[in-house]
Amino acid sequence: DGGITQSPKYLFRKEGQNVTLSCEQNLNHDAMYWYRQDPGQGLRLIYYSQIVNDFQKGDIAEGYSVSREKKESFPLTVTSAQKNPTAFYLCASSFPGALGANVLTFGAGSRLTVL
Amino acid sequence: QKEVEQNSGPLSVPEGAIASLNCTYSDRGSQSFFWYRQYSGKSPELIMSIYSNGDKEDGRFTAQLNKASQYVSLLIRDSQPSDSATYLCATKGVGGGSNYKLTFGKGTLLTVNP
Repeated sequence: DGGITQSPKYLFRKEGQNVTLSCEQNLNHDAMYWYRQDPGQGLRLIYYSQIVNDFQKGDIAEGYSVSREKKESFPLTVTSAQKNPTAFYLCASSFPGALGANVLTFGAGSRLTVL
Repeated sequence: QKEVEQNSGPLSVPEGAIASLNCTYSDRGSQSFFWYRQYSGKSPELIMSIYSNGDKEDGRFTAQLNKASQYVSLLIRDSQPSDSATYLCATKGVGGGSNYKLTFGKGTLLTVNP
């Protein structure tokens, strides 16, 4: 089955630690995204990538880093510089194109808690 | 700053009624509009997209778009308890990298009572 796999589903981090969230897709989508969701809030864009080896900052990129070495993979690192990292992290992908680019398919999400 | 506004709810309707969810947006250049459904603790799933003024129907769901008023709505007919979820409205930016960026509202929590 085609889809997006995020891991781990739950992650606990001590303050000062970097953690990496994995996102893998087998949909052959060119574009991939990372969103953050806080309780009672909408989704906020962290980073997005249109093609391999290229990515752009979203609205809340500070304290995060990404890489796009393969079309299928778009890992997100939450660094110690992110002051409030506890949140639900969602990876998504889409086909390119003016309209189709925004039909997002989401992974199941990763819930990060800072202890 | 592009904004998408939704009433946070909760919106409570009886089973079988019509649920009406509303969304306004600030970017007059927005061209594409989406409704996602998100169950508690789960990821969003697309239920409707609309690109031109008027109504678009898909089963029990109808999306309505009025670009002049910068308003988009979602009607759910014959509401079922399984429709209880948070509904997120999203719009697409215009040009360049904005072709890839959605702006989401905070969502409206819908509860359908048996």
